[in-house]
Order: sequence, then C-alpha cells, then structure tokens
Amino acid sequence: GQQVMQIPQYQHVQEGEDFTTYCNSSTTLSNIQWYKQRPGGHPVFLIQLVKSGEVKKQKRLTFQFGEAKKNSSLHITATQTTDVGTYFCAGPSVSNYQLIWGAGTKLIIKP
Amino acid sequence: GAVVSQHPSWVICKSGTSVKIECRSLDFQATTMFWYRQFPKQSLMLMATSNEGSKATYEQGVEKDKFLINHASLTLSTLTVTSAHPEDSSFYICSAFGQGAMNTEAFFGQGTRLTVV
Repeated sequence: GQQVMQIPQYQHVQEGEDFTTYCNSSTTLSNIQWYKQRPGGHPVFLIQLVKSGEVKKQKRLTFQFGEAKKNSSLHITATQTTDVGTYFCAGPSVSNYQLIWGAGTKLIIKP
Repeated sequence: GAVVSQHPSWVICKSGTSVKIECRSLDFQATTMFWYRQFPKQSLMLMATSNEGSKATYEQGVEKDKFLINHASLTLSTLTVTSAHPEDSSFYICSAFGQGAMNTEAFFGQGTRLTVV
C-alpha cells in the first residue's frame, strides 16, 4: 500500500546545531504537509507544499518538496529548546480521503 | 483557523467499562472526521474514518464492535471504547479538514489520554 517513510526516528542535537528530517513517499503526492507535535500534545500544522521543487521558509525552518513530488525535507537552523518535539510529514492518499503519515522524527536537545 | 475540540482530555476507567470520547468542529462543518490512536513514541495510526450520516470506515485490524463511532451531525463525532482493557490504554486523537478537503491542513482535537486499570 501507499507509504510515507520518514527518517531518522530520533535526532539528538546540541542547542544551536542544525536538524533535518526527510520524508519519502511511495507514490507521487499532490501535496505534502508538515506537523509538529510537542510532548503530550497534539499535532499542529506547520506548512503545506504543493509545487514541484517548492521551497518555503518559516524563520529558521526550511521546507522542501522534491522535483518528483515524492520526497520532502524539513531543516531547522540553529535549534532552540522551543523546537523540541516530533515532526511529522503527511501526504494525501491516492485512493481514500485521508492523510498518510510518516513515522515522525523526534528532535531531542542534548543538555 | 478552524478549531476542533475533543473531550475529555484524559480519562481513567476500570477494565470492562466503556468510555465515550467526543470530537467537535467548533467553527466549521466536518462531513468527515478521522480517529487516530497513538502509542508512546509512535506515529499516528488511523483507526477509522467517520462519515456524517453513514457508517464509519474502519482500518484493517480495528474492531468496529469495540470502537463504536457515531457521526450524527456535521459538527460532532464520537468514539466509544467498549469493554475497555488495559491494552486499549493510549492517546486517541480526532481530526478534520478545515475546508472538507484533504488538500487543506488537518486540524486536530487536543487528544484524549485513556488509561484502563
């Protein structure tokens, strides 16, 4: 079935270091969405990418959508403690009215 | 943005009892809502798609007689965990698309942490 694979599962960084998470879909996506889930909370929408090769920035966050619309990445520059959480990518399914979720990447700031 | 309200935010119940979780779209109509379960350190697992006025569509491996879903109106969907067991303890989250289309962002309820003792 349709899958969205996301790596890595965890990433430990020192505060101030960069963080990147990658998503790869088994099918071409009409769009890809990114969500952040803080510990104990619910996912919160960050951004949606629609166009092939699209790059969007939100302050220190840079989102990219691949040319083939099958992969995407989220890069955080100079991480801060407020960035802690799990970042999920998700894309619409081709057959059903739902989102297919990546496994998530947990950002952990080393003390 | 659109708001989805989920209640209760946490519940502890005895094994064998039933628990009802409500999911309301506060400022928009949601013909479709989604129910997820999330175990610790894992991703969201879609349990079922709740359709207003019709039967829910359950994902493979999800017992429809155990997880009863009712979507009686355009703003309310409920999930009832019947005869709960400790292995049902989890974080349950509902979501809906703000404009009723999967190409817009999904809005989530606050989630319900269920603990069955």
